[in-house]
Order: sequence, then structure tokens, then C-alpha cells
Amino acid sequence: DTGVSQNPRHKITKRGQNVTFRCDPISEHNRLYWYRQTLGQGPEFLTYFQNEAQLEKSRLLSDRFSAERPKGSFSTLEIQRTEQGDSAMYLCASSLYSGALQETQYFGPGTRLLVL
Amino acid sequence: GENVEQHPSTLSVQEGDSAVIKCTYSDSASNYFPWYKQELGKRPQLIIDIRSNVGEKKDQRIAVTLNKTAKHFSLHITETQPEDSAVYFCAASKAGGYQKVTFGIGTKLQVIP
Repeated sequence: DTGVSQNPRHKITKRGQNVTFRCDPISEHNRLYWYRQTLGQGPEFLTYFQNEAQLEKSRLLSDRFSAERPKGSFSTLEIQRTEQGDSAMYLCASSLYSGALQETQYFGPGTRLLVL
Repeated sequence: GENVEQHPSTLSVQEGDSAVIKCTYSDSASNYFPWYKQELGKRPQLIIDIRSNVGEKKDQRIAVTLNKTAKHFSLHITETQPEDSAVYFCAASKAGGYQKVTFGIGTKLQVIP
């Protein structure tokens, strides 16, 4: 499968627990994005990486959220001390940035998080 | 920052009719406008995109138009089919070091057989 993959696809956790999600981008893509999508809304930007460098974080990303892309390939998104408001679909996308025109972002299937 | 407004939020059409979804953006520097289709429980998938150096682009039954002066762009689906039923998102971004994509709220399209 040459598309973006995410694991797990579903996660149910209790409030206060930590969770970690993984995203594997399309292999040649150098940019990786995390979005959050709640019911009835479009994806909201959280953060993005170019290779292993995290270049921007949204104000939506509180201190409880951390993302890494240690080798410039897969990425992890960790949420500490989860809250019910964290319940959402977490989408990962990747793209090939060449510095010229805007590149297309390709989305993964998402990880649906439910915090009880 | 960029703000993308999309309407209508829901749209029902009879099979075979056309569907039009409209979006406006606020940042005049935005110059790339992708449209994504998201079926229930599935990932957003790019269906068509347009760059600011063109005013219209077509791909079979799908077309997108862009009016840079008015800062709005539209998606047109002709001869709609039941499998076109999904949520459609418009988005806007601009060239530069960081190409943040701002999405609209989405339009739920229902094609009635």
C-alpha cells in the first residue's frame, strides 16, 4: 500500500490517560501534517513537519499534545492526560514539497479517539 | 489568518441534476484551492484542484471555477449519481515556505436516486 497509513484506527480511553497515534506517510513525501476533525467540521491544522523538523504548531495544540518525526519518516502524536474534549478524528496527511508550487496533501484514514 | 467559508452546509439533489458548492476566502495571497470528498468514515480524498493562474478546470463531471477578484471559488458536479453522495470540503492555501491549508466547514451532498 503506497498511501498514508495511520494506527490505530480507533482508540477508546479513559479521561486522564495518555494515548499515542502513529502516521506513516507516502514514502517519498518530505512533509507530514496532523489535523483534528470533529463531527460536522473540516479538518483543523495542528502541526506539520518538514523532514524531521517541526516547523509550526497551531494554537489548538495545547501543552498536552506533542508530536515527533524522529527520522523524517513516520510521525507520532501523543496526547497526555486526555480530556473528553479531545475526542475527535485525528488525520495525518503527507506531501512532497519542492519549494515551487503548492503541493497536494494526501490524507490517511485517521484515528478516531473517544475519551470516556 | 485565512478564513474559508463554504455553503450550503447540506445539499440534496435528484440523480442526474447538477450540484454547486460555493466557497469564499479572505486572504488575497491564497493561490491554491483544492477540493476534497469525504465519504462516511473514510479519509478526505482530493477530487480536483485549481491554481490562481487559471479561472476554470474540468475533469469529467466535475469542474471548479475561481474568481480571484471576488475571492470565491465553486465546485460544479453535473449528472450527479448516488455515489457522489458525500461531504465535500473546499480549502485554500498560498505558496511560500509553509503551505497551510485552511478548510471550509464542508457540504453534505445527498443525491436522491
